[in-house]
Amino acid sequence: AQTVTQSQPEMSVQEAETVTLSCTYDTSESDYYLFWYKQPPSRQMILVIRQEAYKQQNATENRFSVNFQKAAKSFSLKISDSQLGDAAMYFCAYRSANFGNEKLTFGTGTRLTIIP
Amino acid sequence: KAGVTQTPRYLIKTRGQQVTLSCSPISGHRSVSWYQQTPGQGLQFLFEYFSETQRNKGNFPGRFSGRQFSNSRSEMNVSTLELGDSALYLCASSSGTGAAGELFFGEGSRLTVL
Repeated sequence: AQTVTQSQPEMSVQEAETVTLSCTYDTSESDYYLFWYKQPPSRQMILVIRQEAYKQQNATENRFSVNFQKAAKSFSLKISDSQLGDAAMYFCAYRSANFGNEKLTFGTGTRLTIIP
Repeated sequence: KAGVTQTPRYLIKTRGQQVTLSCSPISGHRSVSWYQQTPGQGLQFLFEYFSETQRNKGNFPGRFSGRQFSNSRSEMNVSTLELGDSALYLCASSSGTGAAGELFFGEGSRLTVL
């Protein structure tokens, strides 16, 4: 079974600064997808960024980028130029690439606070 | 395009009762997944339905069940409620066709069991 670990329950960052959230995972599969989801206080989960395991290039989405280290099974999220709207719970998630498997395995989350 | 709609948003039940939650996916999406979110256990996968068939199931007791209708709308049912069933229940929809498509989540149904 796959597991996802987020070792930072809480993080804080000054507005406009950069913060990195950590995530490690364990799997015996070679092909899979990794995601970072954001859950603001309104509680709707929103996809921040995704990474396909077969792609070596790290994914980026505007101010959000990942550092994907497949051998180390590490998938960290970097948020640049932090904004107040970035305050939320961030969940790292794993999904198998096997057809028909839509199940997401989530980490325990990191609560990010933005300090004005 | 309308998002994932979950009803009701909030509900309060007592132990022993049963509850039914509803999820309407994004138009065109055929896969609906359900997750339970609690402070203690985090986000746990309940089950996934695709084209009216349960395709994947998490590790929950048989009191938790679900179904999907021909229009892809899904319901989940929890019978004989226990205090520990108090949680935010999230529904997510996707195309379900195997690509790394995004799962779109609803705002959830907050269940409180007294």
